[in-house]
Amino acid sequence: GQQLNQSPQSMFIQEGEDVSMNCTSSSIFNTWLWYKQDPGEGPVLLIALYKAGELTSNGRLTAQFGITRKDSFLNISASIPSDVGIYFCAGPGGSQGNLIFGKGTKLSVKP
Amino acid sequence: NAGVTQTPKFRVLKTGQSMTLLCAQDMNHEYMYWYRQDPGMGLRLIHYSVGEGTTAKGEVPDGYNVSRLKKQNFLLGLESAAPSQTSVYFCASSPRRGRVAGELFFGEGSRLTVL
Repeated sequence: GQQLNQSPQSMFIQEGEDVSMNCTSSSIFNTWLWYKQDPGEGPVLLIALYKAGELTSNGRLTAQFGITRKDSFLNISASIPSDVGIYFCAGPGGSQGNLIFGKGTKLSVKP
Repeated sequence: NAGVTQTPKFRVLKTGQSMTLLCAQDMNHEYMYWYRQDPGMGLRLIHYSVGEGTTAKGEVPDGYNVSRLKKQNFLLGLESAAPSQTSVYFCASSPRRGRVAGELFFGEGSRLTVL
């Protein structure tokens, strides 16, 4: 089945650094979603993108819907310890239009 | 503001036992899903439903059954539990946006251990 390629798989950064991660698909999407999962909890929606080229921010987080409609990017500025978790991208690439997920980027922040 | 509620939160089973995980959502969403999450494997879709009375297989359906008799509930059953089914299970729901699913809202997870 269709898959989303998310990279990097993991990141170890120093507090205060900026973070970038991305997600690519083999087919065109009309929606890109970014989720964060805190340890021991369910994923929570961070940002939803609905238009190619769209740039949307949520606090220190900024996500972009790629022009080709086959990719999306998430940036975190000035990271803090509570940014630790797993970040997932998702798009409606499954059968009957259901969402599929990337394998996640695990972020660790060193104080 | 309950959102998506999963019960139970934790369960320990012996191999061969059966159990049912219950998911309830109060957002009137059309789509509901069951995922399992294992270390390094991301979220893998077990079964899903696009509406009351309908279910479909996801990526890893073997060993599981589901039912959606009411729009707000989605049940995941294990008829004969195996150690390979030790995992954290997440239920999610989403509204329909045109012909595709909208953003998913997840429950807090159910941690299942099969001995």
